[in-house]
Amino acid sequence: GENVEQHPSTLSVQEGDSAVIKCTYSDSASNYFPWYKQELGKGPQLIIDIRSNVGEKKDQRIAVTLNKTAKHFSLHITETQPEDSAVYFCAASREYGNKLVFGAGTILRVKS
Amino acid sequence: KAGVTQTPRYLIKTRGQQVTLSCSPISGHRSVSWYQQTPGQGLQFLFEYFSETQRNKGNFPGRFSGRQFSNSRSEMNVSTLELGDSALYLCASSGGAVTSTGELFFGEGSRLTVL
Repeated sequence: GENVEQHPSTLSVQEGDSAVIKCTYSDSASNYFPWYKQELGKGPQLIIDIRSNVGEKKDQRIAVTLNKTAKHFSLHITETQPEDSAVYFCAASREYGNKLVFGAGTILRVKS
Repeated sequence: KAGVTQTPRYLIKTRGQQVTLSCSPISGHRSVSWYQQTPGQGLQFLFEYFSETQRNKGNFPGRFSGRQFSNSRSEMNVSTLELGDSALYLCASSGGAVTSTGELFFGEGSRLTVL
């Protein structure tokens, strides 16, 4: 079945450093790849997404890259801040936002 | 604009009982999806409703069911509860149309504990 692998499971960085989270998907028909951030006691919130016809997308300190040939995509956060500390999930789907297959999540800790 | 509202936020049930969870989507959103979140299995898709019809379904047993009303509010039901059903159940709404952005707006979830 469809599967999304996410690494690392935990990531600790110093404030100001960059953080990179990587995901690999199995379903070659996937064409939509969102990243969600979940803070304690809250539901996941979309931070950035990318579609299969785009190789890279950037939004201020956050960027996502997609390699369809290798079936992997990555989240890059630059100049990390303490408020970036949360659990990050990658996901993949064949359609816009529906039936997302999520990765296992990465706990990001930004130390000040 | 109000966000996605889920009720109840917390509930405790015993094995064999059934439970109904409710979700009110963002006004104007026609699609409601449900996800189960557990420490072991992560976030898993249960089902999605659009305009009162189930549009997608995940790999969960028939004990898990849902429905959507004409005002887009949705309910999910779990019958014959098992210990393994203990989880955070998340509801998410979206525009649902092909032209929508695809972003899912999640509620804060209903935390179910089965004893």
